[in-house]
Amino acid sequence: GAVVSQHPSWVICKSGTSVKIECRSLDFQATTMFWYRQFPKQSLMLMATSNEGSKATYEQGVEKDKFLINHASLTLSTLTVTSAHPEDSSFYICSASQLYEQYFGPGTRLTVT
Amino acid sequence: KNEVEQSPQNLTAQEGEFITINCSYSVGISALHWLQQHPGGGIVSLFMLSSGKKKHGRLIATINIQEKHSSLHITASHPRDSAVYICAVSLSQTSGSRLTFGEGTQLTVNP
Repeated sequence: GAVVSQHPSWVICKSGTSVKIECRSLDFQATTMFWYRQFPKQSLMLMATSNEGSKATYEQGVEKDKFLINHASLTLSTLTVTSAHPEDSSFYICSASQLYEQYFGPGTRLTVT
Repeated sequence: KNEVEQSPQNLTAQEGEFITINCSYSVGISALHWLQQHPGGGIVSLFMLSSGKKKHGRLIATINIQEKHSSLHITASHPRDSAVYICAVSLSQTSGSRLTFGEGTQLTVNP
């Protein structure tokens, strides 16, 4: 089956620094990738939709200058959390779309101290 | 009111029991997905269905488009089935359609 990887799986960073999270579709090409954030005991919240070669579409309330998304190829999308603050601590999950299926990455746990 | 609602929110069962998780939605959809999220956080797609019924091992998913309702059944439940089960719908028939998620059902199966 289709596999999506994320790197890193967890990261701890200091307040004010930037963190980059990678999402890769390993054995298929994904024209669309999605980035989600999940707080404890809550469901996934869509942050943005990323299409290869074009600007990401952000959901209402998500700061595009803070959460930079780049989808440079059909197998790689990156999310950069800029000037991270403790309230950005969360679980970030990506998914990649192939036809009508979505395949999810294992997630990245970000802790900002 | 959420567009996708699941019940129950929490479910505890004994090993071997038959389990049903329900999902209702209020909008027209092109497909409904059942997802499984383990404590570590990774999400696995269990089913995508737009009509009828699908079966995979001990898991069965059904959908009734007219009633806007879907159920996920687990037969002969096992402690390893303990996870959060999430219902999600896609509204568009285009590839790469975003999903709208339910709140999830926390299932605990005791030995």
